[in-house]
Amino acid sequence: NAGVMQNPRHLVRRRGQEARLRCSPVKGHSHVYWYRQLPEEGLKFMVYLQKENIIDESGMPKERFSAEFPKEGPSILRIQQVVRGDSAAYFCASSQSLEDTQYFGPGTRLTVL
Amino acid sequence: AQSVTQLGSHVSVSEGALVLLRCNYSSSVPPYLFWYVQYPNQGLQLLLKYTSAATLVKGINGFEAEFKKSETSFHLTKPSAHMSDAAEYFCAVSPRGGGSNYKLTFGKGTLLTVNP
Repeated sequence: NAGVMQNPRHLVRRRGQEARLRCSPVKGHSHVYWYRQLPEEGLKFMVYLQKENIIDESGMPKERFSAEFPKEGPSILRIQQVVRGDSAAYFCASSQSLEDTQYFGPGTRLTVL
Repeated sequence: AQSVTQLGSHVSVSEGALVLLRCNYSSSVPPYLFWYVQYPNQGLQLLLKYTSAATLVKGINGFEAEFKKSETSFHLTKPSAHMSDAAEYFCAVSPRGGGSNYKLTFGKGTLLTVNP
């Protein structure tokens, strides 16, 4: 029974490039959450999605960041024109229902040169 | 806004010794409280959670935590450390009610080392 899968595990980008982070939730889970962990900080909530819908994006930076969870395929967190301050670990979690435990993936570590 | 403080970014214990990882929270009302563990190259795994009722919460792998409202604390303990407990531990909170209890706020984490 596979858990939450994230890829790539490590991603290196130069300033100005785009970063695409993928998250496959636990099979049967329709709720996906993205968190970001900046260096020396705790994980911070970014966005909550259900299939084809963004429910809460209150933690997302207003520019350059977007997220989607299409009907088919993984959830994608997209960062356009990356800057050094985007370097962080990005974690995805999924749950079966809103009240259920969130199961986390291993994270994607993004380094911006 | 809610916040979590984990005292000690690194705790080292001997095998068989008591494990105590500290967590204090800040919230206008008692929140939901969680402890997660992260083993190398794995995702965060839920150890235990406090939502209501009993203030002493028992989790997996022999861990437990006690919610103390007067101290705004939720410290994690285990009577006897095992080598396999070496990992990073995260305390987290989420709002109680208001429809946003999915928003977890995490502490910075405590790396637990267990010495033979």
